Order: sequence, then C-alpha cells, then structure tokens
Amino acid sequence: GESVGLHLPTLSVQEGDNSIINCAYSNSASDYFIWYKQESGKGPQFIIDIRSNMDKRQGQRVTVLLNKTVKHLSLQIAATQPGDSAVYFCAEKGSSGTYKYIFGTGTRLKVLA
Amino acid sequence: NAGVTQTPKFRILKIGQSMTLQCTQDMNHNYMYWYRQDPGMGLKLIYYSVGAGITDKGEVPNGYNVSRSTTEDFPLRLELAAPSQTSVYFCASSSGQGGGEQPQHFGDGTRLSIL
Repeated sequence: GESVGLHLPTLSVQEGDNSIINCAYSNSASDYFIWYKQESGKGPQFIIDIRSNMDKRQGQRVTVLLNKTVKHLSLQIAATQPGDSAVYFCAEKGSSGTYKYIFGTGTRLKVLA
Repeated sequence: NAGVTQTPKFRILKIGQSMTLQCTQDMNHNYMYWYRQDPGMGLKLIYYSVGAGITDKGEVPNGYNVSRSTTEDFPLRLELAAPSQTSVYFCASSSGQGGGEQPQHFGDGTRLSIL
C-alpha cells in the first residue's frame, strides 16, 4: 500500500538499462524461492520462482539467480521500463513439508525517464 | 477471472471494536493465508489453512481468529481492535501442489486503521 516501503532501500535505474535487485535469505534448508512485484495500493504479484536444485531461471525479461553457498538470490530485469517501477521482494519456503514462507522487506525500483 | 478478492478495501475502527475481513478465491485452491504488512517490514503470517475445516497459527496470531468452512472463503476476525493492529492485511491462496512449491496469489489488501 501507500505506506509500505517508507524505509526501503531504493534502486534508481535509467529507462532501458538493466536492473539487478538482491535478496539475502535466512534458511539454508529453504528449497523454493519466489520474487514478487508490488505496486502502490496493490497486492504482491508473482514474477518468477526457482527451486533449490537450480541456480538460474529465465522468464520474459527477468532472470533469477540463486547462490546457495552464500544464501543469495537476485532478480535481473532486462531493458527496464517505467511500468517496472514498484517494490520487489523475495520469499523463501522452508524445507519440504512446510507451507510457510518468509518474506523479505523489499527494494523499491525507480525507473528514470 | 477474479482470483483473490478482499473486502473491504479500507476501514477505520475504534479501539475495542470488532470486525471481519473477508477473503474469497475462485481458483479452487486448497491453501489460504492471511498476512499483515507493516511499513518497512516483510509480510508476517497471521494464520493459514491447508483445506476446508483446517486452520493453523502463523507467526503473529494473537488478537485474530479465522475459520475455513468452505474452500473458497477464509475470513479473518478481529475481536477487540487495538492500535497495534493498524496495518495492511493481505489474503493469499495457492494450489498446494508440488509440496507447497507453488506461488501464492494475493488479493489487493485491506487497509485497516485503529484509532
């Protein structure tokens, strides 16, 4: 919503450039990860996911990289557009058998014209 | 295709009042979740359900109650509203296939202020 993201880190990117948003996750046993996009006043929207048996997955204009050694996840957005401006956050699911997710606090992406 | 629908979108309550936040999904998903989102914080799980008749506590269940009488509906009840419950509340659902490794679909939230 409007008040979400008041104290979030902000990434400013020129339109047309590539964006890289990072996320450190907490549980080395987490086996499934999701990136969400949240626009002001809206609910989180699924972008892309990756399972722990992979280290890279590509979608349309987006790529997720997973580094299990350092518990790090990144989201790359190619040719960033004004419509990409939003808060982005990652979510991790614990080891098999749990249905609970841990959500990151998010990064605000601002696309400069 | 409506997805996850939450009502109301906004609400102001007085301390001590009660209310129910409604959530319904039309995707026949077994799993449903309630989260709260506070400024600068990640989503916190309040309650979740893995099917009709089954509910369980999340990280921050105190002050809330839920029920799951049907697959479609998962209402969240605040019995005695307190200022600490001022937040944005999101309902989500997922199919539950693949051992829970399916993305959650979110509603657009209920913005609740307790004064």
